[in-house]
Amino acid sequence: QSVLTQPPSVSQAPGQRVTISCSGSSSNIGNNAVNWYRQLPGKAPKLLIYSNGLLASGVSHRFSGSKSGTSASLAISGLQSEDEADYYCATWDDSLTGPVFGGGTRLTVL
Amino acid sequence: LQLQESGPGLVKPSETLSVTCSVSGVSISGSSYYWGWIRQPPGKGLEWIGSISDSGSTYNNPSLKSRLTISVDTSRNQFSLRLSSVTAADTAVYYCATHIVVEIVATEDWFDPWGQGTLVTVSS
Repeated sequence: QSVLTQPPSVSQAPGQRVTISCSGSSSNIGNNAVNWYRQLPGKAPKLLIYSNGLLASGVSHRFSGSKSGTSASLAISGLQSEDEADYYCATWDDSLTGPVFGGGTRLTVL
Repeated sequence: LQLQESGPGLVKPSETLSVTCSVSGVSISGSSYYWGWIRQPPGKGLEWIGSISDSGSTYNNPSLKSRLTISVDTSRNQFSLRLSSVTAADTAVYYCATHIVVEIVATEDWFDPWGQGTLVTVSS
C-alpha cells in the first residue's frame, strides 16, 4: 500500500491528451512539491517533472505537472506510442522524513 | 554525472545484502547533493531506502532502519548500502541515484540521475 495513490492504469488514443492523478495528504503533497518519473519497460526511472511543474532537462513540453491541495496531476498531450511507460509521482513526507512514491500508473497508448 | 550499481546478484536468507554505487562525473566530496538508494521488487513499485550526504549525514526509511547501513567512501567516490537479515521480500532491483534535497519553507527533493539498477535475489 503506497502512501501516494495513483490509478493503476490509464489508456488513451494517439494524439490525444491524458492525465494521471496522484493523491496524498497534508504531510506530503499538501506541504511539499511533487515530482514525476517515467519508467520505460526494463529501464531505470527517469525524472520527468520536479517541483510540481518544472520540466527536467530534455523533457518535451507535451508534459506538464500541477498540484492543488493534497493532489497532483501529470498531463501528457499529443500522445505518442513511445509514451507507453509506467509513471510514478513522488514527494517528501514530513512524517516519514523522507520521500514517498505513488504505486505507479501504466499508460497504454491505444 | 553517471551512477553505476554493483551487487552480488544472489544472497541467502538471513545474510547481509551489500550494494555499491560508483559515481563518475562529479566528486561526492563537497557536493551539495545527497546520494540515495531506491528499490523495486519485481513487478511492483518504487520504495525509497535511504540517502546519505558526503559528510555521512543520513535519512533512512523507518521501515528498514533497524537493518540498514548506508555509508560513503569519498576517496573512491562511492556510496554503499548494507541490509541485514534479508528475506525473500528484499528481492528487488536496487537503484542508486543523486538525491537533490532543498529545504526552504518546505522540502523539495528529487532523484536525478539514476543508475541502471542491479537485481538482487534473496534465495537459498
